[in-house]
Amino acid sequence: DIQMTQSPSSLSASVGDRVTITCRASQGISNYLAWYQQKPGKVPKLLIYAASTLQSGVPSRFSGSGSGTDFTLTISSLQPEDVATYYCQKYNSAPALTFGGGTKVEIK
Amino acid sequence: EVQLVESGGGLVQPGRSLRLSCAASGFTFDDYAMHWVRQAPGKGLEWVSGISWNSGSIGYADSVKGRFTISRDNAKNSLYLQMNSLRAEDTALYYCAKSVAGPFDYWGQGTLVTVSS
Repeated sequence: DIQMTQSPSSLSASVGDRVTITCRASQGISNYLAWYQQKPGKVPKLLIYAASTLQSGVPSRFSGSGSGTDFTLTISSLQPEDVATYYCQKYNSAPALTFGGGTKVEIK
Repeated sequence: EVQLVESGGGLVQPGRSLRLSCAASGFTFDDYAMHWVRQAPGKGLEWVSGISWNSGSIGYADSVKGRFTISRDNAKNSLYLQMNSLRAEDTALYYCAKSVAGPFDYWGQGTLVTVSS
């Protein structure tokens, strides 16, 4: 089974900082990679799919890149409302899908 | 408006069974694959099981394979998860999610399952 590893597991940054989260697949998954945001006490929300396509309504400060085994989620200018845990998910072998372990983002 | 409403959670003893349901509305249910995702208290998301639009393709996480069964009734716009031989480690909030060609674009609010004696 393909494993998804996120790093770091948590980070603290200042408002306005550029934040980067990485997700690594144990085998190549082309661009079948999604990113989700889960704010405290809330339901997960789809941010990005196909590694780099922004879901409708998601602010443009979020972006995704990568292909194969290495992917990144970038927040270009961190805002207070971005405090959340972010998860990557592979979907190259539906219906069997896997999430990464999550990255908790906090404000310094 | 897309709505996914889970039900059927509760407190259950180890070894017993529970059946979760997810009522879908606001979209053409039988056009989409559906999934169950769980989240143990204070932990990350874990994909549990998924089913294609016509039930022709089904998958399970290794942690639940052989104990859980996913099904759907397109006539009733409903998704189900039959959970047998429950263990303490199955304690979690269980989400129903709609899949759009892979990723999950809509999630329910979840139903809490607590396995404890």
